Amino acid sequence: EAQVTQNPRYLITVTGKKLTVTCSQNMNHEYMSWYRQDPGLGLRQIYYSMNVEVTDKGDVPEGYKVSRKEKRNFPLILESPSPNQTSLYFCASSHLDRSYEQYFGPGTRLTVT
Amino acid sequence: AQSVTQLDSQVPVFEEAPVELRCNYSSSVSVYLFWYVQYPNQGLQLLLKYLSGSTLVKGINGFEAEFNKSQTSFHLRKPSVHISDTAEYFCAVSINAGGTSYGKLTFGQGTILTVHP
Repeated sequence: EAQVTQNPRYLITVTGKKLTVTCSQNMNHEYMSWYRQDPGLGLRQIYYSMNVEVTDKGDVPEGYKVSRKEKRNFPLILESPSPNQTSLYFCASSHLDRSYEQYFGPGTRLTVT
Repeated sequence: AQSVTQLDSQVPVFEEAPVELRCNYSSSVSVYLFWYVQYPNQGLQLLLKYLSGSTLVKGINGFEAEFNKSQTSFHLRKPSVHISDTAEYFCAVSINAGGTSYGKLTFGQGTILTVHP
C-alpha cells in the first residue's frame, strides 16, 4: 500500500530535550516536505527536499533541522524544543513534476512543556 | 509571494443542504489551485485541483470548485452534503512555473465544515 508513515504519532517532551520525528514513504517520491499545523494558521512549510542530499528552508524553519540521506526517509529534528513548537506536524511527499499532488502522513502531535 | 484567504473559519450546515466554502488568493504570477480535506485525526488528502483548462473542476465525493481569475477566487461547492463530509477543508495554491510546480504549497487557514443531522 502506498503510504507516508510518521513516528511517533504522539509525543510529549520537555523543553530542551532533543527529539526526532521520522518520516518514510514507499512511493519512490523525489520531493518531501514538513509542515506544521496550528489553529487559525493552516499549514506552514518548515523544510523541504527535492531529492537526496538536497534540502531547503520553508516559511518557518527556525528551531528545526532535517536531513535526506536516503530517498525514502526525511526526519525532522528538534535540537532544543521549546513550548512554541507545540503543534501538529505533517510530512508529505510527491513526485517532483507533480508536486502539487502531495501525499500526507497521518501527523505527529507534539507537546513541549 | 502568494497568499490564500479562506473567508469562513467555520461553516455549520444541515444534512442534504448545499454548501459553499470560500477561498480567495493573491499572487503576482500564475498559480495552480487546490482543495484538500482533513478528516478528524487524519492527514490531508487532495479533494480537487485546477491546473488549466475548464474553470469548473470536479473532485471526489461530489465536490466541485470554480476558478474565477478576475475575482481571484476558487470556491468549493457541494449541492447536498452528508454527515460524512464533516471535516476541515484547506484551500492551497502553488506557483505555476512554466508548467511544473516545485512543491511549495501555500495553505489557507482552513474551514471547519460541520454537517448536522
